Amino acid sequence: GAGVSQTPSNKVTEKGKYVELRCDPISGHTALYWYRQSLGQGPEFLIYFQGTGAADDSGLPNDRFFAVRPEGSVSTLKIQRTERGDSAVYLCASRGTGRNEQFFGPGTRLTVL
Amino acid sequence: GENVEQHPSTLSVQEGDSAVIKCTYSDSASNYFPWYKQELGKRPQLIIDIRSNVGEKKDQRIAVTLNKTAKHFSLHITETQPEDSAVYFCAASFTAGNNDMRFGAGTRLTVKP
Repeated sequence: GAGVSQTPSNKVTEKGKYVELRCDPISGHTALYWYRQSLGQGPEFLIYFQGTGAADDSGLPNDRFFAVRPEGSVSTLKIQRTERGDSAVYLCASRGTGRNEQFFGPGTRLTVL
Repeated sequence: GENVEQHPSTLSVQEGDSAVIKCTYSDSASNYFPWYKQELGKRPQLIIDIRSNVGEKKDQRIAVTLNKTAKHFSLHITETQPEDSAVYFCAASFTAGNNDMRFGAGTRLTVKP
């Protein structure tokens, strides 16, 4: 079946702009995670959704970042007033109910100029 | 919170040799330990995982060992092949919680033909 998909694959923006990154999880997966991966580092947890609600947003670095998942499927990560330090690959992962394995999407490479 | 450390950061072996990557974790509540392989520009792919109720798990040329007392776990790859070259990440999570993963910083494995 289809895996996790993310769009866009690449996003270049200017400092101060607003961006939206989209994640489409594996069909039926209720758990959805956002991670951020900087060059040469492991993925860093940002936020976890169980269904429509953000069950844990403790990884969001500041209030410029927020995410939604209004219908319990597709999720959008939103970054306001982007800064150069936000440049990274943003990864989304989903997990099936009762399972431990997380399956990652291909990521969105965000570059803030 | 959980802190995962991974060593070495780079590892170079000859084709056919074995490779070992080690990780330690800090939170004794963590009970799920996956390993991901990430090729350049690609998404992390789960290659093997282990739960805290077992000490070892093997899948063909790949094995993982877990020492709960010492809070460390290791990935073993035998009979390495050039296509094993990639960055490997360990992670730890608590499955009765949100199951959000904390990753190590990664090991870049190079298998020389």
